[in-house]
Amino acid sequence: DADVTQTPRNRITKTGKRIMLECSQTKGHDRMYWYRQDPGLGLRLIYYSFDVKDINKGEISDGYSVSRQAQAKFSLSLESAIPNQTALYFCATSGNLRDRGPHEQFFGPGTRLTVL
Amino acid sequence: EDQVTQSPEALRLQEGESSSLNCSYTVSGLRGLFWYRQDPGKGPEFLFTLYSAGEEKEKERLKATLTKKESFLHITAPKPEDSATYLCAVQEWSGNQFYFGTGTSLTVIP
Repeated sequence: DADVTQTPRNRITKTGKRIMLECSQTKGHDRMYWYRQDPGLGLRLIYYSFDVKDINKGEISDGYSVSRQAQAKFSLSLESAIPNQTALYFCATSGNLRDRGPHEQFFGPGTRLTVL
Repeated sequence: EDQVTQSPEALRLQEGESSSLNCSYTVSGLRGLFWYRQDPGKGPEFLFTLYSAGEEKEKERLKATLTKKESFLHITAPKPEDSATYLCAVQEWSGNQFYFGTGTSLTVIP
């Protein structure tokens, strides 16, 4: 079984709709992240969380919100989707709060979101 | 501003033709540098972590090296199945964020 799972894998929606993307992990990591990937722009950080009570904005948080329901679950919401939020979205996890060294990230399979 | 730059953007190699990919970075303090492989439509797959200048890591036909300002991913005698996009990322010292390059798209021709 995959260590980091994302649902749905593909979603087509219309402008103005509310969308939730879900991420679950079985790696036991404290740190979780949401990224979007666009051609030519690479991976950009939307939000990150270091534990259940910790939520931090990333580079491009406008138009998005998140919820950390448990150590293993981190959801991304688009309150009112717009076409320029069409992208590939990835969830990632990376280690525990007491880790002192580098924290390699482990990614989910991605959600392809299309906003019409 | 922290930045990660990868070159070339795209690389086409004949099977067996060795080459190197470059990742240059500017961060105020480096906690770690990471290499990932990404196949089309899939999530990045972790390859290597480097954090000390002079460090080297190897895995099959891939070897990653690190200096104070850049990292190289050397590909020795590549095969068509090595075709993918290779991403470089750095974690700055505070550990709060990661910065990704835009990747090198590698195509290995049989």
